[in-house]
Amino acid sequence: SAVISQKPSRDICQRGTSLTIQCQVDSQVTMMFWYRQQPGQSLTLIATANQGSEATYESGFVIDKFPISRPNLTFSTLTVSNMSPEDSSIYLCSVSGSGQLPMNTEAFFGQGTRLTVV
Amino acid sequence: GQQLNQSPQSMFIQEGEDVSMNCTSSSIFNTWLWYKQDPGEGPVLLIALYKAGELTSNGRLTAQFGITRKDSFLNISASIPSDVGIYFCAGQLEGYGNKLVFGAGTILRVKS
Repeated sequence: SAVISQKPSRDICQRGTSLTIQCQVDSQVTMMFWYRQQPGQSLTLIATANQGSEATYESGFVIDKFPISRPNLTFSTLTVSNMSPEDSSIYLCSVSGSGQLPMNTEAFFGQGTRLTVV
Repeated sequence: GQQLNQSPQSMFIQEGEDVSMNCTSSSIFNTWLWYKQDPGEGPVLLIALYKAGELTSNGRLTAQFGITRKDSFLNISASIPSDVGIYFCAGQLEGYGNKLVFGAGTILRVKS
């Protein structure tokens, strides 16, 4: 399985500011995703990070609020913009698409970034 | 939208007991994945299932991909205290590539 490093692991931010979360993988992967996990809840997909092109956002998430970069096959960033207390969540990077079928459909997660907005 | 119904929502069992949880949907899935999440950590993949009817084990864990491709179960045998955590099912919908849909999770608590 891929080793995924996510930074920062946690942060406390002032409302109105922005935070950029980094996701680094130890091997090239086809797919990178960003999820949000609100307190006590399950995981919700924010977007698919596409290498060399704009991310693909799920319903309810927009690029202005959650800009995403993916400059290569091992790295992606998610920015949470103009934060409010409602953005307090765990944000998780996920990767899949390394190795051969069918195992390359398996998804692995970073340890998450716990964000608190005050 | 696509939905996975995971049950039970929580369980409180005696150490040594067997545990069973399942996920169902009205949609067809190509892959079923089972994860465990400990506090402060990301989900860790426990078992992956790739085809209908497949039964796979990983130590004390056993999971099956339903014949209809719309459901899956996870069994844990002889539970131990370190089994506590939240278990999530996740599925890759047919036609949606590698995107995952997650169940709501099953919180497992074990009495020692």
